[in-house]
Parts: sequence; structure tokens; C-alpha cells
Amino acid sequence: KQEVTQIPAALSVPEGENLVLNCSFTDSAIYNLQWFRQDPGKGLTSLLLIQSSQREQTSGRLNASLDKSSGRSTLYIAASQPGDSATYLCAVQSGGSYIPTFGRGTSLIVHP
Amino acid sequence: SQTIHQWPATLVQPVGSPLSLECTVEGTSNPNLYWYRQAAGRGLQLLFYSVGIGQISSEVPQNLSASRPQDRQFILSSKKLLLSDSGFYLCAWSVFEGRGDYEQYFGPGTRLTVT
Repeated sequence: KQEVTQIPAALSVPEGENLVLNCSFTDSAIYNLQWFRQDPGKGLTSLLLIQSSQREQTSGRLNASLDKSSGRSTLYIAASQPGDSATYLCAVQSGGSYIPTFGRGTSLIVHP
Repeated sequence: SQTIHQWPATLVQPVGSPLSLECTVEGTSNPNLYWYRQAAGRGLQLLFYSVGIGQISSEVPQNLSASRPQDRQFILSSKKLLLSDSGFYLCAWSVFEGRGDYEQYFGPGTRLTVT
């Protein structure tokens, strides 16, 4: 059974810092890994999806990497801003399954 | 472009009352549909998913049920709410992308408080 872990559970940084959020999974037989952002009281917004054949994806100040063999993904946020404050979740889709496995998220606060 | 709607946005219901939450998707055909719940301090819990009209799979035994009367409509129901049903309910959809995987998209959610 796939298990997804996100460390740290919470993170507080000053504005302008570059930061890394971690996601690890136990079964490397995945189709893709998806990073989401969730603002308080809102739904999840898809940030990046990395297919199993890819090593990384970039969108603006966000860069997500994937290392299937070690069961890890990182989300890199460059030059963090207070508007980046949110909970970030990763989800892994295993082969042949309609159902992704979610981590519990990292709650990020970027203070001015 | 695809859009997903959920209503109501917020709901306060007494214990023992019925529940009906609705989710509709626009701009896509034959999506997979999902109901999740987020309780305070807990992760995302998958409740039901559907790969087609009338096809519902339950992930967690509980007093909730789901139905899919139309291709792009997914309904979450209960005959009698419990206090433990309080939470944030999220609907999501995905479609086969052709490269072998599914990307998920979420609705805005419904905040349910059972009093």
C-alpha cells in the first residue's frame, strides 16, 4: 500500500527566502506525482504534475523534482512571498489506479 | 475550459437531519469523480469515487452515500447526520490523459458544521 509523507508539517520563513518542501513515497511504481496548494477554507489548486518519466517541472518561481528510485519529490519555491503562505500537498498516482494517495501537507507561513 | 462547481459553500445542520451536497463538472466528458473530506487537523480522506454513471465505490464505511445520476453530476447524501460528519467536503475530477495517468482537479469545497 502506497504511503506518502510530507516533512516538515509546518514551516515559517521570512520573506525572500528560497525554500524546499519534501514529499516521500514508499512504492516507486508511480505514474505521476502532483503538487497542490490549499489556502484556508478553499479547495486544492494544482501547481505542478510530474510524470514518472520526467525529472522535474517548473512553473514561475516553483520547481518540482522527482526521484522515483529513492521515492522522493521536492518542491522548490524561489524568493518566497507572503502570498505563498498556504498548505502544500503532494499526491502520488500509482500504476493502474484512479485514486491518488495524498500526503498530509506542509503548512507554510511566509512573514514579511 | 473545465470548471467544477460545488454547493452549498457552507452548511449548518442539526444532528439527525438529512444532507445533500452537489458537485457538477463542466467542459469535460466521462470524468472520474471523487468525494473527499477534510476534518480539522486531519488529512484528506477519500469517501467515494466514480468512474461512470451509476458506478460508485466506497472507501470508508459510514452513514454517507453517493450517487451519480448524470455523467458530470456527483451527489453526497446522508439520511441522518452525526456530529462526526462535520468537516470540509471536496469534490474532484480527473480524466485519462492518454499518457497513462490522471491529473486531479478540485472544487471550492463545502464547509459542513453539524450542531
